[in-house]
Amino acid sequence: QVQLQESGPGLVKPSETLSLTCSVSGGSVSSASYYWNWIRQPPGKGLEWIGYIYYSGTTKYNPSLKSRVTISLDTSKNQFSLKLSSVTAADTAVYYCASKIPSGWFDPWGQGTPVTVSS
Amino acid sequence: DIVMTQSPDSLAVSLGERATINCKSSQSVLSSSNNKNYLAWYQQKPGQPPKVLLYWASTPESGVPDRFSGSGSGTDFTLTISSLQAEDVAVYYCQQYYSTPYTFGQGTKLEIK
Repeated sequence: QVQLQESGPGLVKPSETLSLTCSVSGGSVSSASYYWNWIRQPPGKGLEWIGYIYYSGTTKYNPSLKSRVTISLDTSKNQFSLKLSSVTAADTAVYYCASKIPSGWFDPWGQGTPVTVSS
Repeated sequence: DIVMTQSPDSLAVSLGERATINCKSSQSVLSSSNNKNYLAWYQQKPGQPPKVLLYWASTPESGVPDRFSGSGSGTDFTLTISSLQAEDVAVYYCQQYYSTPYTFGQGTKLEIK
């Protein structure tokens, strides 16, 4: 069973770049069986899909964030990462990584990591 | 983008009673190629990530109690909890995986009356 765990700084300054990593166990980021996703949830609000990366390196981003988002794979560490540039307070959220089978739903999810954007 | 709209935003139901949550998509999420609805339901408890309850609109995830059921097709869907238990207090989300960007409903908060 795939398990996911997010890690990264909990505090980022405005205008800087948010960087998070998702460590995968019980499965391989080099597998064609999954798409690797980032999803976020602002405090007290709903869920927003950020984007995914596939084992081939193919990425797809939410157009609302596309100009600021980069998702990448590190096959040597069995991890994938999120970079979100030029952050503002509106980017304050719990960030989740989640896997998804092709043409499928999000399962499982990591526990989430809170990120606050503040000076 | 496909907009997902849930109703109601919040719901209070007595223990043992039925709870019904609705989800409407701005365009059909039914695939003509396989006749499947690309719609999932999630449950999120405080401090936890969402957990999938149902996919393909009505297929229960392994281990999900049979009091949870899903129905609907095309643009209109329903999550029903047949007999509310205390552990069902949570926020429920629908989500379409028909096309990117994948989108979620705004959530329905379910409480005990």
